Amino acid sequence: DAKTTQPPSMDCAEGRAANLPCNHSTISGNEYVYWYRQIHSQGPQYIIHGLKNNETNEMASLIITEDRKSSTLILPHATLRDTAVYYCIVRVEYNFNKFYFGSGTKLNVKP
Amino acid sequence: GAVVSQHPSRVICKSGTSVKIECRSLDFQATTMFWYRQFPKQSLMLMATSNEGSKATYEQGVEKDKFLINHASLTLSTLTVTSAHPEDSSFYICSATGGEGQPQHFGDGTRLSIL
Repeated sequence: DAKTTQPPSMDCAEGRAANLPCNHSTISGNEYVYWYRQIHSQGPQYIIHGLKNNETNEMASLIITEDRKSSTLILPHATLRDTAVYYCIVRVEYNFNKFYFGSGTKLNVKP
Repeated sequence: GAVVSQHPSRVICKSGTSVKIECRSLDFQATTMFWYRQFPKQSLMLMATSNEGSKATYEQGVEKDKFLINHASLTLSTLTVTSAHPEDSSFYICSATGGEGQPQHFGDGTRLSIL
């Protein structure tokens, strides 16, 4: 079962930052937070992951709260091609790296 | 970045046919691969974990005799949907990971349609 909660949908204006929240209040000490996105009829695409510290790569930034019970994925300048379903996943501890997907957030980037 | 190739991308076949789907890690060795199923407008559902050199482990409610998994090498896992029926029509997606704590990388999926 998924251990994360995300809003079902969000809108964002093109060129603006998209901030996607995720609640993972039952996360364990050494469980990572992963973010993926799925564009229609494709396989999920890896975006970023982190444990405790904030992370940034060429796609996005990941902000994890100090108590690690929630995180935010930030797309700094959203484009129309960023329209997708975004999944926040907590890797199940000691379980062969299994991922259980929740329902995700449908991000609609509008012109 | 890591690439996972899935083949075929689309299959249409008659009821009762068995269908094999391949998943390959192209530029890394994957001791563990995963198979998911996704119905329209739903999230991905983990079906099974494919382990190189050993039997696959299936999630609760997934029929192991229906969905045969073989992980013959460090770069190839196959899923065979045996005696497929219309209710097996779905989007099947595989993923592979290079190791504990590493991201999973997903294939582009196989859309299976059983007539």
